[in-house]
Amino acid sequence: DTGVSQDPRHKITKRGQNVTFRCDPISEHNRLYWYRQTLGQGPEFLTYFQNEAQLEKSRLLSDRFSAERPKGSFSTLEIQRTEQGDSAMYLCASSLRTGVQETQYFGPGTRLLVL
Amino acid sequence: TQLLEQSPQFLSIQEGENLTVYCNSSSVFSSLQWYRQEPGEGPVLLVTVVTGGEVKKLKRLTFQFGDARKDSSLHITAAQPGDTGLYLCAGGASRGNTGKLIFGQGTTLQVKP
Repeated sequence: DTGVSQDPRHKITKRGQNVTFRCDPISEHNRLYWYRQTLGQGPEFLTYFQNEAQLEKSRLLSDRFSAERPKGSFSTLEIQRTEQGDSAMYLCASSLRTGVQETQYFGPGTRLLVL
Repeated sequence: TQLLEQSPQFLSIQEGENLTVYCNSSSVFSSLQWYRQEPGEGPVLLVTVVTGGEVKKLKRLTFQFGDARKDSSLHITAAQPGDTGLYLCAGGASRGNTGKLIFGQGTTLQVKP
């Protein structure tokens, strides 16, 4: 399977703990996006990378959130001191931006539950 | 801030019926994508429309992009139980180099056999 993969698929943690999620994009895709989706809502943009550079962060991304893409391949999203409001599906998408248009391909997501 | 409003939010119909889902905004988008999402999975791209007035067909699904590139619709003919799922529209920003998508809140479709 050469699609976008995410690990873990599910994570249950206690409030105050740190969690880290990993995303492996489609090989050779230069852009990688993180979104968050709560129940009954559409995904909301968090941040994106072009190669290893983080080019944009949403106001939703508080100081407790940090994302990296150290070698321009896989990416990690870390949430420190988790809160119950962080419970959501965290989606990763990758794309190949070659001109004006691009198509984002989504991974299966990591569902986080903060108790 | 660019926003997309989807309607209806929930739709429950019988197999064989037709339906239309709407996606509206006061903002212009460079492109409009439609995704379908199954429970516990990520969204899967159905179609991308980029030109105002563009119509695309995918078997029983017809997608239209408004002339002003502010709205879109998805029409399903003779719905089948396999069409059940969450349908999401997403707009690409009309300015700048960002590729981030702005999603609507989604339409949950249930097709009963």
